[in-house]
Amino acid sequence: NAGVTQTPKFRILKIGQSMTLQCTQDMNHNYMYWYRQDPGMGLKLIYYSVGAGITDKGEVPNGYNVSRSTTEDFPLRLELAAPSQTSVYFCASSPGPNYGYTFGSGTRLTVV
Amino acid sequence: GEDVEQSLFLSVREGDSSVINCTYTDSSSTYLYWYKQEPGAGLQLLTYIFSNMDMKQDQRLTVLLNKKDKHLSLRIADTQTGDSAIYFCAGIKAAGNKLTFGGGTRVLVKP
Repeated sequence: NAGVTQTPKFRILKIGQSMTLQCTQDMNHNYMYWYRQDPGMGLKLIYYSVGAGITDKGEVPNGYNVSRSTTEDFPLRLELAAPSQTSVYFCASSPGPNYGYTFGSGTRLTVV
Repeated sequence: GEDVEQSLFLSVREGDSSVINCTYTDSSSTYLYWYKQEPGAGLQLLTYIFSNMDMKQDQRLTVLLNKKDKHLSLRIADTQTGDSAIYFCAGIKAAGNKLTFGGGTRVLVKP
């Protein structure tokens, strides 16, 4: 019963480096989401997907890219890391739009 | 999208009731949710209410929805130290496919 699994849990990047945050779910959910949570703040939507092969931008997509080649996986790519991308990143999935989300435990990213 | 606003902080004594408030701007919101986030963890769905309901009770949790005032509240009865967490309300519009979250209310339960 894994649910939504995110890796890594922690990462420190230097400015300009790239990395991919992994997210996988085993519940056969069509909808998947990436949020970022800045300290003391709420969640802001980066990208989302309503099914394999379909992705769309959220509120704060700049500096990120996603892909959805399978139902299970929804990786988030940072190409040129900037200090403003220091945050906790959460992946979530749901069976459909009006269902509650299942969240992963988060990836804490620091860009120095 | 819609805006969702919450107060930042609530302090409550163990055994008392907690009431966490949320306001939203979009009257076409169909489902409204409450999530709990414990330190270092992801968000956990606590409960939800459909827009045609005024109240929903689930054990110690009571959700009240005032559609006229676009106000949502979560009442936790007999608050325990394990209820200390950040609570987020979130809403979704009809035919929408993504939640909009409030900024979260940090609840501190004092013994």
